Amino acid sequence: DARVTQTPRHKVTEMGQEVTMRCQPILGHNTVFWYRQTMMQGLELLAYFRNRAPLDDSGMPKDRFSAEMPDATLATLKIQPSEPRDSAVYFCASGLVSPRADQPQHFGDGTRLSIL
Amino acid sequence: AQSVAQPEDQVNVAEGNPLTVKCTYSVSGNPYLFWYVQYPNRGLQFLLKYITGDNLVKGSYGFEAEFNKSQTSFHLKKPSALVSDSALYFCAVSANTGGFKTIFGAGTRLFVKA
Repeated sequence: DARVTQTPRHKVTEMGQEVTMRCQPILGHNTVFWYRQTMMQGLELLAYFRNRAPLDDSGMPKDRFSAEMPDATLATLKIQPSEPRDSAVYFCASGLVSPRADQPQHFGDGTRLSIL
Repeated sequence: AQSVAQPEDQVNVAEGNPLTVKCTYSVSGNPYLFWYVQYPNRGLQFLLKYITGDNLVKGSYGFEAEFNKSQTSFHLKKPSALVSDSALYFCAVSANTGGFKTIFGAGTRLFVKA
């Protein structure tokens, strides 16, 4: 089965350091999503791309977070500088949006980020 | 604006008993409705979806969901729960408006007791 691959699976770093999370979407999918999951806030949409173009990043703290898709096989989410409140599990998902929004999203297994 | 409500934070059921996890939604236009399941240390996995047609949708692992347009609900059901069904369940809605975004509910934790 095709899968969304996220690296690293775990990351522990100190406050102020740059963090880069990577995602390889499923080949052929044209939409990529970044989510953050915490106990307090649940699942939050940070940003999403269609055909590599950013469509919506309103859920992302703009001053420290950035999301890019340098090519169709790689999406990145960066935090610089990182803060303890960024500690969470970050998920990437990919999907195929055709004329209708009726296709499910396929999630990776996440990056568990701890900022000390 | 689209929204999804899962009114129960947690559902407890005994193994072998039927289970229901509730979901209501609000969307402009025709909804596309989804259920996902999340096991510990894993991403969300797609269970089933409603697009159009029969109001009872069957999905993976013996789960089914009933679409009710008048009540704007899409409850997840299973006739006989297994301990292995214990997980976090998310309802989600999308539509051909609003940028094709999918809105997820807050999740309901299901505990199935042996």
